[in-house]
Amino acid sequence: SQTIHQWPATLVQPVGSPLSLECTVEGTSNPNLYWYRQAAGRGLQLLFYSVGIGQISSEVPQNLSASRPQDRQFILSSKKLLLSDSGFYLCAWSVGQGHQPQHFGDGTRLSIL
Amino acid sequence: GENVEQHPSTLSVQEGDSAVIKCTYSDSASNYFPWYKQELGKRPQLIIDIRSNVGEKKDQRIAVTLNKTAKHFSLHITETQPEDSAVYFCAASRDTNAGKSTFGDGTTLTVKP
Repeated sequence: SQTIHQWPATLVQPVGSPLSLECTVEGTSNPNLYWYRQAAGRGLQLLFYSVGIGQISSEVPQNLSASRPQDRQFILSSKKLLLSDSGFYLCAWSVGQGHQPQHFGDGTRLSIL
Repeated sequence: GENVEQHPSTLSVQEGDSAVIKCTYSDSASNYFPWYKQELGKRPQLIIDIRSNVGEKKDQRIAVTLNKTAKHFSLHITETQPEDSAVYFCAASRDTNAGKSTFGDGTTLTVKP
């Protein structure tokens, strides 16, 4: 069966520090991968998605970047964190084109001080 | 792009009553509509979905209806139980879009015993 791992679960970082969040999927090949941010009490904002290795699409202009160095690995990064980067970050995967549900990781709660 | 609006933002019902959450979408090409349940601090999980060639789908106490003409779809939960308390998200996507989904802002459902 397919599983998704996301880490760390929580992270406290100072303003201006770098960021690296990692997500890996097991049990499937060539998944679509996604990074979402969820502000407190709000919905899911799609940040990046990827349909294959090295293919990244950005949905909103921001201080973050994403990379997909391997088929089942998706990384969210920043060179310098801002206070506004605080939030709950979720990685997700799906297979094929639409008509398929997305499966979410457990999320990373990021607090910027 | 797609815009999904979800109402109400909060909903409180008595145990045993029914709960209805409604979503509207803007992109007439959207053809896949999943619903996710997110318990506090946890990942969103798919509870039911519907494709545009179907008007209604039911799974035990949960049902979803879709009106393509009016571009709205609804989640119906009957005989609510305290464990149904959570945040519910609707989403819309189309099969030519790498599985990208646009999410509503969520509805916080509280079921009072």
